[in-house]
Amino acid sequence: GENVEQHPSTLSVQEGDSAVIKCTYSDSASNYFPWYKQELGKGPQLIIDIRSNVGEKKDQRIAVTLNKTAKHFSLHITETQPEDSAVYFCAASTNNAGNMLTFGGGTRLMVKP
Amino acid sequence: GAVVSQHPSWVICKSGTSVKIECRSLDFQATTMFWYRQFPKQSLMLMATSNEGSKATYEQGVEKDKFLINHASLTLSTLTVTSAHPEDSSFYICSASLAGGLHNEQFFGPGTRLTVL
Repeated sequence: GENVEQHPSTLSVQEGDSAVIKCTYSDSASNYFPWYKQELGKGPQLIIDIRSNVGEKKDQRIAVTLNKTAKHFSLHITETQPEDSAVYFCAASTNNAGNMLTFGGGTRLMVKP
Repeated sequence: GAVVSQHPSWVICKSGTSVKIECRSLDFQATTMFWYRQFPKQSLMLMATSNEGSKATYEQGVEKDKFLINHASLTLSTLTVTSAHPEDSSFYICSASLAGGLHNEQFFGPGTRLTVL
């Protein structure tokens, strides 16, 4: 089955700096890669996603890149703000798996004011 | 759009009792709903996948007689933790996939924190 690894597990940045979180996946059939933000005591919220027919996607301060050959994808947050502090999860999915998501281990992002 | 609710948001129960958690898709129909369990500072662990009108598919290691899942309609799935014990204490999160929507998208509920005394 699919295996998703996420790095780093914790990331501390200064407000205004950029943050990058990386994930690798094992199943070359995976074709959907969402990123979720989870605040303490809440459910995950989808912040951006990318499909395998696209190499990069951007939404304001957030961008995701996908390298299908190397089987890795990354989340980039620019101009970080204290409210970006949360746990971020990457995930991978294939159509063949009935929409099932396989999650990475999570990254705790701390943005210091 | 694509809002998922869970009820209750938290529950405390005595060991040996059963607890039911509801997951509802508020503004869309969900053919598939998923139930996850999350321990502190860990990732989400898929427990089971349920499709409306059929039996749930449980992940390896998840006891189907302990975690009863019912998906009776396109907007409601329930998870019942039977004969709960302290080790069942956890954060339970559901998600739903849009019927007829883009493949793979899941929308998550806010979670239910279960504490078994």
